[in-house]
Amino acid sequence: DGGITQSPKYLFRKEGQNVTLSCEQNLNHDAMYWYRQDPGQGLRLIYYSQIVNDFQKGDIAEGYSVSREKKESFPLTVTSAQKNPTAFYLCARLAGGNEQFFGPGTRLTVL
Amino acid sequence: AQSVTQPDIHITVSEGASLELRCNYSYGATPYLFWYVQSPGQGLQLLLKYFSGDTLVQGIKGFEAEFKRSQSSFNLRKPSVHWSDAAEYFCAVAQNDMRFGAGTRLTVKP
Repeated sequence: DGGITQSPKYLFRKEGQNVTLSCEQNLNHDAMYWYRQDPGQGLRLIYYSQIVNDFQKGDIAEGYSVSREKKESFPLTVTSAQKNPTAFYLCARLAGGNEQFFGPGTRLTVL
Repeated sequence: AQSVTQPDIHITVSEGASLELRCNYSYGATPYLFWYVQSPGQGLQLLLKYFSGDTLVQGIKGFEAEFKRSQSSFNLRKPSVHWSDAAEYFCAVAQNDMRFGAGTRLTVKP
């Protein structure tokens, strides 16, 4: 699993609701990332965090929020402001050689 | 602008045939280069990476990739494809951040 766990695997949300996706890592790495994947597209960066209590917006941060209160946890909240939230969400951690290791992903569907 | 291009959206090969997936990048300096594979509904798994040195790098599952600076390319190859190689393949480059190509979907015919 690359040291990253994500839950749940599938998530359903009604329009207008916020929902939080979990991402946990057990390898004491500092940098963590959230990506969004849509069919036929590569990964797009939502947010990333390099240290506790600090995070930066990626390319498509609008409608999303994150927190980094603990080193091992980097949850992503998809807010009601996100106009098209149905997608596959991937969390990753940065390893020593600049490569990223990914969790299994969460598929979010808005009903 | 910095970009990563995978020209082939979908490739079909017969089992046992050779495979080459193309990746081109546009960066000012040589970035770090990666290939990932993704099975349906799963996360991405790192196949191989290039940082410096020998331009032919070996990865897991029998894959290799060759970095060609003059062509700004980092193509992925496998001499003999197995049915289990059917998946989506992503090229990625990292400089200040990591950028991914749109992916190439590989279908393997029996």
